[in-house]
This record gives sequence, C-alpha cells and structure tokens, in this order.
Amino acid sequence: AQKITQTQPGMFVQEKEAVTLDCTYDTSDQSYGLFWYKQPSSGEMIFLIYQGSYDEQNATEGRYSLNFQKARKSANLVISASQLGDSAMYFCAMREGPTYNTDKLIFGTGTRLQVFP
Amino acid sequence: DVKVTQSSRYLVKRTGEKVFLECVQDMDHENMFWYRQDPGLGLRLIYFSYDVKMKEKGDIPEGYSVSREKKERFSLILESASTNQTSMYLCASSLYFGGGIEAFFGQGTRLTVV
Repeated sequence: AQKITQTQPGMFVQEKEAVTLDCTYDTSDQSYGLFWYKQPSSGEMIFLIYQGSYDEQNATEGRYSLNFQKARKSANLVISASQLGDSAMYFCAMREGPTYNTDKLIFGTGTRLQVFP
Repeated sequence: DVKVTQSSRYLVKRTGEKVFLECVQDMDHENMFWYRQDPGLGLRLIYFSYDVKMKEKGDIPEGYSVSREKKERFSLILESASTNQTSMYLCASSLYFGGGIEAFFGQGTRLTVV
C-alpha cells in the first residue's frame, strides 16, 4: 500500500544554515511522483518541488532541492540558506499513476520547521 | 489565476446535523480530493474523484460521503456530524498524473462540531 513517512515532528535551524527534512515512501508502482508542500501559519498549501520516479537528476527549485534516492525510497527536502520566512509545516506527498482510479495524492504527517536568528 | 474555493472558512455545527462542505475549482481539473488535517496526523485522504460521478475511498472514509455531479464541484457530506469530526478540511484539485503535476488547494474549512 502507498505510504509516506516523515519521522521528524519538529526541526530547528539557524538562519542562513541548510536543513534537511526527511521523507521515506512505500509503493509497489513503478510510476509515481513525489512532492513537497509548505504550509505557513496562514494555512495555505504552497507547492515547492516535484520529483518523478523516472527523473534521473534530483529536482531543484531555487533554494529547495530534493535528494531522491530511489533504492532507499527516500525523497528528502534540502533547504539551503534558511530564512525566517521558511518557518512552517512541511509535508511530503506522493502520487501513483497513471491509472485514473488510483491516481490519488497522499501525505505524510509533516515536519514543523522553525528558523531562528 | 488558478483557484480552488471552499464555501466556508469556519463552520460550527451541532452533533447529528447533516453537514455539506462545498469545493469549486475553475481549472477544468479531472481530479478532486478531500482531506482532513489534524495535529500530528498530517493530511489524511477522505475521498477523491477522478471524473464526474466517479469516486474512490481514501484512507478514512467512514462517516463521510461525497458527490460530484459537475466537473468543477466536489462536495463532502457528513451524514450525521459527530464531535470527532471536528477538524480542518482541505479540498484540492489536479490534472491527471502525467497531464499535470501539482495539486492546488483551497483555503480550508475549519469545522467545529458541538
């Protein structure tokens, strides 16, 4: 069965430092996608980065990069040069596909990141 | 600008009431999802729909039902609200996997059942 695991309920990082948020997943499908979303205290869900199961290179978007290790089934988010505005909940998520009635998006339990000056 | 709109930001209902949470998207997306979010549990999928009148159970469908009569609208129904359904409810929509990547979320509905 599809499953996402985030083992870090909370993380602290000093401003300008890098931080890694862990995510492992379980799926029997060969075709899937992995996502990270950010949820600030305002509650909105902000899409950060995506990695497809067939992508050979790790995804990067600005200060965000996804450390994809397929054999280990891990998809860790790396935030470089942390900023105070990065303080938020971070969710890892996965979609399997492309069969229509199994194309569901599931989430992990989240990691609360706090950036301090 | 893409948009997913949930009908209410806050709702207070009584135990035993029938509750409707509405979600509308304007992006012509095939997929729509309902989640509930609780502290320490993340987002848990209640139901999703991949086409009009089509629905699939998620991980926690008990006590809920859904309706999708039109492509743009996906309703979550609590047949008889209970206090353990007090939660934040999030709706999302997306293209089919392979046709698009990210899901877009509504602003959430905080439901309190008293």
